[in-house]
Amino acid sequence: QVQLQESGPGLVKPSETLSLTCTVSGGSISNFYWSWIRQPPGKGLEWVAYFYHNEISTYNPSLESRVTISVDTSRNQFSLRLSSVTAADTAIYYCASVLFGANGFDYWGQGSLVTVSS
Amino acid sequence: DILMTQTPLSSPVTLGQSASISCRSSQSLLHSDGNTYLSWLQQRPGQPPRLLIYKISNRFSGVPDRFSGSGAGTDFTLKISRVEAEDVGIYYCMQGTQFPWTFGQGTKVDIK
Repeated sequence: QVQLQESGPGLVKPSETLSLTCTVSGGSISNFYWSWIRQPPGKGLEWVAYFYHNEISTYNPSLESRVTISVDTSRNQFSLRLSSVTAADTAIYYCASVLFGANGFDYWGQGSLVTVSS
Repeated sequence: DILMTQTPLSSPVTLGQSASISCRSSQSLLHSDGNTYLSWLQQRPGQPPRLLIYKISNRFSGVPDRFSGSGAGTDFTLKISRVEAEDVGIYYCMQGTQFPWTFGQGTKVDIK
C-alpha cells in the first residue's frame, strides 16, 4: 500500500512562495498519477494539480499561473510550489495518488497546514 | 467548471438507521470514454479524506458494504446503511470527468 507524507514550512509570508514536498513509500513514484489538493481550515476541498512524472500535468486554472510541480524520481518525491501567496492560500495541503482508471484519490497524506501571514 | 451540489448539508442520523446524501452536477459526468468519474470520500474529524466509492458505485478496498453508491448522468446518491458511530464525519462527492476536478461542498453526518 502506498503511503504519502507531506513536509514543508508551516508559515509563509504574503507575496512569497509556498513549497511543499510529498515523499512516497510503498511504491514507485513512476508507476502512479498524483495530485495536490488543499483545504482551507474548516472549509471544503479544492483540487490543485494532477501529474504523471514530468510528462503530463494539469493545473486548476484558478491557480495555474502560480503553480509549479516537480518530480524527483531518485528520492521518490514530488513537490508543489505556489508563488505570490496571500492569506487566501492558507490551507491544509494534501498530496494524493490517483486511482488508475477511476480519476479518484485512493491514498492521501496526512496533510500539511500552511499559514500565510506576516 | 462543473459545479457539484450536495444535499443535505447536514444529516443527523440515529445509530443503526440509514442516511442518504445526494450529489448533483451542473452537467453530465458521462465521459467520452463511457465512464462516469464520480467518487465519494469520507473525512472523519482531524483526518485526511478517505476514498469510499469510485465510478459511481465501486467500493474501494476495505470499505464496508454498508456504503453504496448509485446514480447516472447528473444525479448521484451515497447511502449509508446501519449507521455506526465511526461513520461520523463529512462526506464529499467529487467529479473527475472534466478538468478542473471539483468537489461538492460536503455533507456533515452526525449522530442524533
